[in-house]
Amino acid sequence: SQQGEEDPQALSIQEGENATMNCSYKTSINNLQWYRQNSGRGLVHLILIRSNEREKHSGRLRVTLDTSKKSSSLLITASRAADTASYFCATVLPFSGGYNKLIFGAGTRLAVHP
Amino acid sequence: NAGVMQNPRHLVRRRGQEARLRCSPMKGHSHVYWYRQLPEEGLKFMVYLQKENIIDESGMPKERFSAEFPKEGPSILRIQQVVRGDSAAYFCASSPPYTGELFFGEGSRLTVL
Repeated sequence: SQQGEEDPQALSIQEGENATMNCSYKTSINNLQWYRQNSGRGLVHLILIRSNEREKHSGRLRVTLDTSKKSSSLLITASRAADTASYFCATVLPFSGGYNKLIFGAGTRLAVHP
Repeated sequence: NAGVMQNPRHLVRRRGQEARLRCSPMKGHSHVYWYRQLPEEGLKFMVYLQKENIIDESGMPKERFSAEFPKEGPSILRIQQVVRGDSAAYFCASSPPYTGELFFGEGSRLTVL
């Protein structure tokens, strides 16, 4: 079974609106990461948040982590058409041997319309 | 500084043939990961390698799949006697030691006819 599950599966918004994607996971984590994937391309790392952190920002991105609820959210503010992509959360479990064995969710497909 | 390089980008094989996918990590990265992505799904971990060592192959199918990362040259993911269910995008990622993020290549898309 998957560790991370994103919600919603698909999201369609207008340019300028905010987009919020959620990720739930099942077990304790070392850190949680968000990646973006444009159609037919590889994944691009967006943000890493560690288990002892609650919020991180990077430009128009804001990530929160609630370890008590085993959930994370990714907020993209003032969205642009270029933000159209699939967004994945991925977790690294504790005691993973010190390497980045990421466990991915199925992703949220975001469409931003001009 | 070139990113993670994967080739071929697209590969078509008939059932029973062999597929070899190559990955050159970013300069200075000594850790390589292989992931598989089925259509409309997330990535599934297959194997983690360091130079000349397989560290974690818990995601590799028990048969037909193998991976290596030799002292010289790229990492190779080899699929013998391919079947239609092997059709997927295979992504390689690399990372320097002791950091969290992975740097992904553009993927190799295998189609088995």
